[in-house]
Amino acid sequence: DTGVSQNPRHKITKRGQNVTFRCDPISEHNRLYWYRQTLGQGPEFLTYFQNEAQLEKSRLLSDRFSAERPKGSFSTLEIQRTEQGDSAMYLCASSARSSGTNEQFFGPGTRLTVL
Amino acid sequence: AQTVTQSQPEMSVQEAETVTLSCTYDTSESDYYLFWYKQPPSRQMILVIRQEAYKQQNATENRFSVNFQKAAKSFSLKISDSQLGDAAMYFCAYRPGGGTGNQFYFGTGTSLTVIP
Repeated sequence: DTGVSQNPRHKITKRGQNVTFRCDPISEHNRLYWYRQTLGQGPEFLTYFQNEAQLEKSRLLSDRFSAERPKGSFSTLEIQRTEQGDSAMYLCASSARSSGTNEQFFGPGTRLTVL
Repeated sequence: AQTVTQSQPEMSVQEAETVTLSCTYDTSESDYYLFWYKQPPSRQMILVIRQEAYKQQNATENRFSVNFQKAAKSFSLKISDSQLGDAAMYFCAYRPGGGTGNQFYFGTGTSLTVIP
């Protein structure tokens, strides 16, 4: 059983650098979500894809953030010119359109530390 | 705007005892879904239980059950016969129904400690 996978699991970078994270959803899931989770908080929604189309973006997603899902399978989240405030856990989740409750299955996350 | 509130940052329970985690939410929608997710330390979030708002019957999954009070906008999680493996952060989540319900709204979580 292959669940949602994310790479890398940890990333340490210096302020001003660009970083890219990858998410591989469950293979038959056509919906993919990115969340950000900071210490002591619940996940906050960033963006949502249905197949390759990015249908929703949160106001949290500044111009320095960009997400893609080019073939409707894996997705990447890029942060340009990282800032210390970007330090967080970035979670990816996927769901199947056929699921009535739209239950989301989460990956292990990528922990970003910006020095 | 939808908000989810978990008023208990930390809870503890003796092994084999029962504990209830609280969650309230604010919405003007009538169609929505509620979830409890568990996040063990350094591990990914997994779904514990779900509830459709149109269902009056409270959801149950083995030792986990909910008390869904729609009018009060309350959705508490009861864990019976607590086990050491239940120790984790628990998040309550809300998802709007209908065609626009895509993102989840999460509470700030409750950290559950199980005492042997």
